[in-house]
Amino acid sequence: SQELEQSPQSLIVQEGKNLTINCTSSKTLYGLYWYKQKYGEGLIFLMMLQKGGEEKSHEKITAKLDEKKQQSSLHITASQPSHAGIYLCGADKVGNNNDMRFGAGTRLTVKP
Amino acid sequence: NAGVTQTPKFRVLKTGQSMTLLCAQDMNHEYMYWYRQDPGMGLRLIHYSVGEGTTAKGEVPDGYNVSRLKKQNFLLGLESAAPSQTSVYFCASSYARVRTDTQYFGPGTRLTVL
Repeated sequence: SQELEQSPQSLIVQEGKNLTINCTSSKTLYGLYWYKQKYGEGLIFLMMLQKGGEEKSHEKITAKLDEKKQQSSLHITASQPSHAGIYLCGADKVGNNNDMRFGAGTRLTVKP
Repeated sequence: NAGVTQTPKFRVLKTGQSMTLLCAQDMNHEYMYWYRQDPGMGLRLIHYSVGEGTTAKGEVPDGYNVSRLKKQNFLLGLESAAPSQTSVYFCASSYARVRTDTQYFGPGTRLTVL
């Protein structure tokens, strides 16, 4: 089965610092989704990547999908306390559009 | 629009008790999903539905049943709760399940089985 590994599991950064979260798949990714979850709340969709080499940005968050489509990175520039939360990557299960797999998540803490 | 709502938000059950979690969406979405989230394991798909009257098994369906009698509602049932079902349950919906579609999530239900 397709596994998604996220690294690091947790991250503590000082406000204003940049950071990167990685999501690695054991198989080719056909659709890679990034979500953010605040403690005790549901997931909020951030971005979706499909094509190898694709890069998308929203405010200070940039996500990339590598050319081989087996790894994605989420980069936050000049982090703020509002960026704190759990970031999860998700991907379509190969061969089944209706099934989705998620990574275990990266817990981000931003110290003011 | 309320989006995706879940009831209840919290629940404590004793082993062997039954309960039903309700998910409702007002976005006219065809697809609905039930996930469970456990520490260190991310979200795992329990069951999903591709339309009114249809249901299908996901990654971890054992011990759960679902029903989609109305398009806007997706119910998750536990017939005989077990401590292993202690988790946070999330419902999600999407307009269609194509590769460019996104899922919208509810706020979650925190279930504890003693």
